[in-house]
Formats: sequence, structure tokens, C-alpha cells
Amino acid sequence: QVQLQESGPGLVKPSQTLSLTCTVSGGSISSGDYYWSWLRQPAGKTLEWIGRVYSRGDINYNKNNPSFKSRVTISVDTSKNQFSLKLTSVTAADTAIYYCARVGTSWEDFDYWGQGILVTVSS
Amino acid sequence: DIQMTQSPSSLSASVGDRVSITCRASQSIDNYLNWYQQKPGKAPKLLIFAASSLQSGVPSRFSGSGSGTEFTLTISSLRAEDFATYYCQQALSTPPYSFGQGTKLEIK
Repeated sequence: QVQLQESGPGLVKPSQTLSLTCTVSGGSISSGDYYWSWLRQPAGKTLEWIGRVYSRGDINYNKNNPSFKSRVTISVDTSKNQFSLKLTSVTAADTAIYYCARVGTSWEDFDYWGQGILVTVSS
Repeated sequence: DIQMTQSPSSLSASVGDRVSITCRASQSIDNYLNWYQQKPGKAPKLLIFAASSLQSGVPSRFSGSGSGTEFTLTISSLRAEDFATYYCQQALSTPPYSFGQGTKLEIK
């Protein structure tokens, strides 16, 4: 059974960098059949996709959201079976529950999710 | 990018009712449409992929249909544990992935 677990600080000050890690267990992040994604969900709102990484190192970001422009970095550490998210220059608008998830490459479906971590941006 | 619109935004129903939720895409996405269920305080759960394929372990009272721009999630006979928020997600034109705004299913 694949499990994903987000970790990182739950409180970040404005203008600082949000850093989260997703640890995958029960399966290898190096499997070529999946992408590994970050999403977020502000309170009471829908899901917003942030970006994804492939085991070979290919990375895609959500270029349609101008608020992410040049602020997002996703990386992967196959030796630790982890992938990470960094979001710089955060504001209150970045307050949300952040999820990591596995995405199948056939139907691009998010089949396994972490439990989510609430990140609040506040001084 | 492709916009996903769900209707209704909220729905009240009773245990045993048959309910349907609609998701419309701003352009054709063939059958690249996935459905999720989210309960309060929990991560979303994949119910249906490829518009009509039931994810392993999901009860058969859930079904999906449609192709092109219009899709439907149907719950044949509501159970208490089905009251949740449901989201559709397009998977044809990726990245980025886009989700509908959600449909909150409440107990009448």
C-alpha cells in the first residue's frame, strides 16, 4: 500500500520561503509509471495544482497561475524516496492545505494522496 | 487552459436517493475525466477515472458517464457516508491539471 506523508512547518512568515517534503512509502518514487505532484486547497475552495516531478527529473509547473511565476521549485531525492516543494516570497494568499499526491501516467489520475498539511502565512 | 464547471454547487438529498452531479469542460477532453470525493478534514479520494472506470475498492453504487464536454457522476442509492464534496478533474490537456469548483452533497 503506497503512502505519502507531507512534512514541514505549519507557520511561515510573510516574504519567507515555504518548504515542504513528501515522503513516499510502500512504493518506489523511481517507478516510471507515475508523476509526483503538489497541490493546495485554500479553506473552502477547490484544489489547485502546483506542479509535478517525474522520476527521471522532468519537472512541470502550473504556468497558468501568475502568482506562482518564478516562485515555485519542485525537486526529487530518489535515494530518500522523497520529493519537495519550495515556494518563495509567500503572502497570506498562500495560506492553504498543501497535499502531495501520486499521478498515474495513463489517465493522469491522482490515486494516492498525503493527508495534507495546513500552512499558515502570518507574522 | 481548460475550464471545468460543475453543477449544482450544492445538493441536498436523503439516504437512499439517486443523485447525479454534472461536470462540463470548456473544450472536448474525450474521456480524460476523473472524479474525487472529499470529506471534511480529509484528502480527496479517487472514485472514477477515464470518465467511467471505477477505482479499485470504490462501491459499485458510484458510476460515471460522458465524453467530450459533458460528464456525470451518479450515486445510485445514497448512504450516510456519501455526504461529502465531489470534484471533477480534466486530464487531457496537461499540465496543468484543472479541477471543478466542487459539489457539496448534504443531508436533507
